[in-house]
Amino acid sequence: NAGVTQTPKFRVLKTGQSMTLLCAQDMNHEYMYWYRQDPGMGLRLIHYSVGEGTTAKGEVPDGYNVSRLKKQNFLLGLESAAPSQTSVYFCASSGTLPGRELFFGEGSRLTVL
Amino acid sequence: GQNIDQPTEMTATEGAIVQINCTYQTSGFNGLFWYQQHAGEAPTFLSYNVLDGLEEKGRFSSFLSRSKGYSYLLLKELQMKDSASYLCAVTGARGGSYIPTFGRGTSLIVHP
Repeated sequence: NAGVTQTPKFRVLKTGQSMTLLCAQDMNHEYMYWYRQDPGMGLRLIHYSVGEGTTAKGEVPDGYNVSRLKKQNFLLGLESAAPSQTSVYFCASSGTLPGRELFFGEGSRLTVL
Repeated sequence: GQNIDQPTEMTATEGAIVQINCTYQTSGFNGLFWYQQHAGEAPTFLSYNVLDGLEEKGRFSSFLSRSKGYSYLLLKELQMKDSASYLCAVTGARGGSYIPTFGRGTSLIVHP
């Protein structure tokens, strides 16, 4: 069972470059999320989506854009990468019922030089 | 907004019991989750509490007091493999949806 799949797993960028992280889920979940995790900071919500075609800002959205054109995919874009965006990025998905747990991808480690 | 507080680090001995506390402030509370995250891995679900009281699941139990904005995760018969980060997450209202917000996590070190 694939669950939640993130690509790429690792990426090194130079300041100013752009890139897209892809998240795909095969559980037919309505909700999808992008978090970043930095040492001592826990998981911080970047953007989320409550359904196909919808997106919303989380706690730390600046410098990122997202799209949810298909229900199973949630893309996170960095238009002009900065060293402050060096982090581990986790995608997650969940159902809509109360108590719905989040299912996480394996994470994508991004380094911006 | 939401505010979630948990200790940064705890240590315990194999075979012992440890309690990890989480306090929170949120609007539109709709449940509290605990996740476990081993180093270099993704978080995995441990428990969910939405009503006051204790939920027991094997060696792990989770407690919630909504009036106090307080939860704890209790780990019994500690094993070395329980060394991990434990994340408290509170689901509160955000733009008409219920979205989980995570605390900074508690790193638990279990030693022999």
